[in-house]
Amino acid sequence: QKEVEQDPGPLSVPEGAIVSLNCTYSNSAFQYFMWYRQYSRKGPELLMYTYSSGNKEDGRFTAQVDKSSKYISLFIRDSQPSDSATYLCAMSALTGFQKLVFGTGTRLLVSP
Amino acid sequence: NAGVTQTPKFQVLKTGQSMTLQCAQDMNHNSMYWYRQDPGMGLRLIYYSASEGTTDKGEVPNGYNVSRLNKREFSLRLESAAPSQTSVYFCASSESGGSTGELFFGEGSRLTVL
Repeated sequence: QKEVEQDPGPLSVPEGAIVSLNCTYSNSAFQYFMWYRQYSRKGPELLMYTYSSGNKEDGRFTAQVDKSSKYISLFIRDSQPSDSATYLCAMSALTGFQKLVFGTGTRLLVSP
Repeated sequence: NAGVTQTPKFQVLKTGQSMTLQCAQDMNHNSMYWYRQDPGMGLRLIYYSASEGTTDKGEVPNGYNVSRLNKREFSLRLESAAPSQTSVYFCASSESGGSTGELFFGEGSRLTVL
């Protein structure tokens, strides 16, 4: 069993839809949680960062962490075609990136 | 501002050949990393350099060597390429420790080993 599980998709939605992307994990020591966005043929870029449990909002994006269920989510409101990309979750028990564990990514397609 | 620059972007090798992937960052970051990305596997850390003059193994170091040439540059070498090393390689950098959660990635180097 992988430490971090993520549905590969693709997830296809119409423009304007609310998108929910999710990851589950097995290591209860994880406390740093990130979402990266990766456009085709590009490197990942950080979208959201959350420490421990709770919600964090940034514009159309909301990251949610439920440590009791070992489940994290990324919500995208009013989705746009420019949001079409692969979304990678990543998490770590310690600060620093040496032990950062990435999910395999969910491919999102937003149609006009 | 270029950020993290990787060369080459594409490379085809034959089994047994050697090559070096180059990476340079212009953000004055202390830490640099090499990852590989394979379908269904996610990003996996090959080697990292926490600061100039230090390098350490990551999750999948076998078959690779690295050199932290100076603060800006971190190279990845394949001494004898194998088909299992066909992958997309990403270099990344971060401020020391990276507690803010931000890794800055290059655009990737796509390597095929025949």
